[in-house]
Amino acid sequence: AQSVAQPEDQVNVAEGNPLTVKCTYSVSGNPYLFWYVQYPNRGLQFLLKYITGDNLVKGSYGFEAEFNKSQTSFHLKKPSALVSDSALYFCAVREPSGNTPLVFGKGTRLSVIA
Amino acid sequence: EPEVTQTPSHQVTQMGQEVILRCVPISNHLYFYWYRQILGQKVEFLVSFYNNEISEKSEIFDDQFSVERPDGSNFTLKIRSTKLEDSAMYFCASARQTYTDTQYFGPGTRLTVL
Repeated sequence: AQSVAQPEDQVNVAEGNPLTVKCTYSVSGNPYLFWYVQYPNRGLQFLLKYITGDNLVKGSYGFEAEFNKSQTSFHLKKPSALVSDSALYFCAVREPSGNTPLVFGKGTRLSVIA
Repeated sequence: EPEVTQTPSHQVTQMGQEVILRCVPISNHLYFYWYRQILGQKVEFLVSFYNNEISEKSEIFDDQFSVERPDGSNFTLKIRSTKLEDSAMYFCASARQTYTDTQYFGPGTRLTVL
């Protein structure tokens, strides 16, 4: 069965510094990988996904993620963090067959300090 | 930009009562999902729905739960006899197709069972 690990509950970064939110996965076959962001009292907003092709995926709000098959990782990155990026970030994976559900990590709270 | 909407935003009910959570998916989407997030925990899959039938369901989705698409726009989740442990945020999601398409999430309904 597929699974996702987000090893950090909390990431703190100063505004303007680069940020990384880590995600590793386990799935049979080639994974479909997603990042979502959740702001307070809001639903999950899609940021980006990897399906196939270029390992570096660019998404909304300047975020990007790199798919690394050998390390089974899909870390979320941004070159320069903003205070408004402070939120809860979820990595998710699904198997590439059938109408399989998303399996989410437990989430990482990002706090960007001015 | 089209969005998934959910009503109500917050539902308080007594244990043993029936609740119906409502969702309006994005209009040209064909695949529908319910997830839930117990406070402080990860987002968990409940059920997926396509072509007026359940595609897949998790162990959480027992006989107390049911889903329905009563008309061309609404997608509902019914909990027949609520338990304290059903208290959670319930998210509806929809996707245009399966496999590679992104699931777009609604803002959620917070269910509190007293």
